[in-house]
This record gives sequence, C-alpha cells and structure tokens, in this order.
Amino acid sequence: NAGVTQTPKFRILKIGQSMTLQCAQDMNHNYMYWYRQDPGMGLKLIYYSVGAGITDKGEVPNGYNVSRSTTEDFPLRLELAAPSQTSVYFCASISREAGTEAFFGQGTRLTVV
Amino acid sequence: AQTVTQSQPEMSVQEAETVTLSCTYDTSESDYYLFWYKQPPSRQMILVIRQEAYKQQNATENRFSVNFQKAAKSFSLKISDSQLGDAAMYFCAYMDDTDKLIFGTGTRLQVFP
Repeated sequence: NAGVTQTPKFRILKIGQSMTLQCAQDMNHNYMYWYRQDPGMGLKLIYYSVGAGITDKGEVPNGYNVSRSTTEDFPLRLELAAPSQTSVYFCASISREAGTEAFFGQGTRLTVV
Repeated sequence: AQTVTQSQPEMSVQEAETVTLSCTYDTSESDYYLFWYKQPPSRQMILVIRQEAYKQQNATENRFSVNFQKAAKSFSLKISDSQLGDAAMYFCAYMDDTDKLIFGTGTRLQVFP
C-alpha cells in the first residue's frame, strides 16, 4: 500500500516550458487535491476533484490545468511555466467516508528559471 | 469564501511546557471539519487532530487538545508536555460540504531544551 505517490520529486524548468506533475493514490479515495507551498508559507489550493471526471478550481488555479480520468490518478499540468510557479507542489487524497484525514504525497519541488 | 487565519507566524516553548497555537476561521456553514496538521522539516504532512463542528466536546489526542469555540469561530491547539520532536510548522485547516480543504498560513513552533 503506497498511499499517495508524486513524481517527479524535483524538476527544473525553463520559462515557457510545460510539464505534468503526476499524482497517484492506491487507497480508492474519491477526493484528490493539488496544493502549492511557497517558502515559509501555507498551502494554497490549486485544483481539486471529488471523483473521476469531476474537477474544480481552488484558490490559485491560473496557469494550471488538471484532469481526472480515473479514481487513482490526478495529474497537474503546467503550461508556459513562469518563475512565479516556482514552489513545492503537494497532492493529497481524502476518503470522506473514512473520516476526512488527508493523505499527502512527498511533494514535488519545482524551480522555473 | 471560507478563510483560515493563523495570526502567530512563530511560537517557541520550553521542553515539557505547554503552548497554545491560535486559529480563527470564517464560514457561514454550520457543519464542517477543522484540523491541525504538522509539517516537520521532512515536508511530510501529518494529521495531529480533527474536530467535527457538530460535536461540542473538544477533541483530544494524547498530549494534543483543542479549544473549539464555534460561536467565536476559533480553533486553538494546545500542546502539553512539549517535546523536541514537536518542533515543526503547524497548519490549521477547514473543510465543509463544498469539499475544499483550506489551510492557514502556518505557525512555526520551536522547542527549546
């Protein structure tokens, strides 16, 4: 049982490049979330999903896109990377039926130069 | 929109002493969940304690307890008998039926021997 797995762990992008941050969970959780955490700051919600085929914007969605074709996977797409997107990205999943504890991945540290 | 505010960027406590971290939130909902998460330097997010708004009794988990004041929209965390391993960032979080999980900006707790 791996929990929530994020790949890659580290990435350096050049301005204008695109990439996809992968997130997979094996707990059959319906709810999945993407956050960004800037240095010394809290977690800002980018996008979330309450099930396959359903996604919704969070607090800071601009510059990002998501899709949820399966229960297990919730990739985050960065188009035209900008220095302001330099951050640590966390994926999380929740089972509302099992008590609402959020399980987090280890994070992806992204630097845009 | 729901918001979570942590007004103490940093706190410090002596080992074996007690410390209280503050959190306030804003919502028009009557049913919701509140959480405290701990983030040590490893960046892993760990659930410390959870409170359901409809429960009047304050949640307790070993040395960790909360003071939940629903009318005042306040949710403070008390750590008793502080240990060196309690040093971390602590985040207050909120979730309701909109399914968004929203975090505060965090409080960095230092524990001195």
